[in-house]
Amino acid sequence: GAVVSQHPSWVICKSGTSVKIECRSLDFQATTMFWYRQFPKQSLMLMATSNEGSKATYEQGVEKDKFLINHASLTLSTLTVTSAHPEDSSFYICSARDRSRTSGRPYNEQFFGPGTRLTVL
Amino acid sequence: RKEVEQDPGPFNVPEGATVAFNCTYSNSASQSFFWYRQDCRKEPKLLMSVYSSGNEDGRFTAQLNRASQYISLLIRDSKLSDSATYLCVVNLDDKIIFGKGTRLHILP
Repeated sequence: GAVVSQHPSWVICKSGTSVKIECRSLDFQATTMFWYRQFPKQSLMLMATSNEGSKATYEQGVEKDKFLINHASLTLSTLTVTSAHPEDSSFYICSARDRSRTSGRPYNEQFFGPGTRLTVL
Repeated sequence: RKEVEQDPGPFNVPEGATVAFNCTYSNSASQSFFWYRQDCRKEPKLLMSVYSSGNEDGRFTAQLNRASQYISLLIRDSKLSDSATYLCVVNLDDKIIFGKGTRLHILP
């Protein structure tokens, strides 16, 4: 099946530092990638939709200046948490959508990366 | 009304039993539907798509009722390894909406 990788898988940083998370689609092109955040025992919350070659679309309540998204190619999107604080500690998951109808996969299926666990001290 | 609603559970079910979850969605124009499974501290993984005609994959059966705007997931002969959170996912245009998930615990 389609594979999405994320790097790093976990990170611990000091308050005030910035953290970059990479999301890559390994065997398909993803014009659209999504960034989610999940706090313990909570549901996935969509943060933003990342479109290749254009600005990301942020969900209400998500600060675009704090969570910088860059989608420079069809296989890579990055999320940078700027000036991270302890309340930003969470599980960040990206996903990529395979729009191919010929791949044998359900249309509009999302493939998720393994997630990045961020802990801000 | 929430866009996608699920009973959060937990459902505590003995091994071998049959369990069913429902999920309701608010927008009748929703186009495609999925069930995902998420294990603790892991990413969600697609379990199955849901088609109007209903579809079955082994012990799992998914059904869609557009008139009543709900989808269902039936698990037969439940296994310990079925313990997870099951996420209902609805697609409308370019928007993918996740339910909060239903937690399932299979008891030995």
